[in-house]
Amino acid sequence: GAVVSQHPSWVICKSGTSVKIECRSLDFQATTMFWYRQFPKQSLMLMATSNEGSKATYEQGVEKDKFLINHASLTLSTLTVTSAHPEDSSFYICSARDLQRAYNEQFFGPGTRLTVL
Amino acid sequence: GNSVTQMEGPVTLSEEAFLTINCTYTATGYPSLFWYVQYPGEGLQLLLKATKADDKGSNKGFEATYRKETTSFHLEKGSVQVSDSAVYFCALSERSGNNNDMRFGAGTRLTVKP
Repeated sequence: GAVVSQHPSWVICKSGTSVKIECRSLDFQATTMFWYRQFPKQSLMLMATSNEGSKATYEQGVEKDKFLINHASLTLSTLTVTSAHPEDSSFYICSARDLQRAYNEQFFGPGTRLTVL
Repeated sequence: GNSVTQMEGPVTLSEEAFLTINCTYTATGYPSLFWYVQYPGEGLQLLLKATKADDKGSNKGFEATYRKETTSFHLEKGSVQVSDSAVYFCALSERSGNNNDMRFGAGTRLTVKP
């Protein structure tokens, strides 16, 4: 149980285009999902917290108009990188919390590698 | 605020060697502690966890004990294999509703040579 999927696993796009990444909790409900960004050989950087049915909360320095987050259901959150540029190339990872679990564990997706040409 | 400090890598070991990756934390309350592993090109997988002092988490031959007196959660394995080569992240989290209070260490890259 507690499986999180991401789609696509990798994407290559041209500069100026928008890319949507999906994060799904497959066998549990998650009112809260998180989006992280990871640069090569570095730790995870929290970008935003996605709450089902409400606006996302962005970390300081993360442009909300650049990284659009939608959490329309208890099992799906999407991150859209708008007008992508080469500096947006990174590994994007989502995670989700299981409402039914007592402790504060996050379950991570496999990640999406974005390359902007 | 809460934070995690873990041993800087990279760490290179021969197969069957003993592994220790140090992790210490700073927290205001009583956090849960985690070790995550990231294999090349993949997301994070939970390796083990401990939710209270003196708990020992274990999985796949890895162990870590929640030491409140030394605020530590060191990862150990008695005999590493080539397949253990990955990046290991220590993390902590306190209960705080929907907020994300999870804090990750910088990660330690382990390479095991045959």
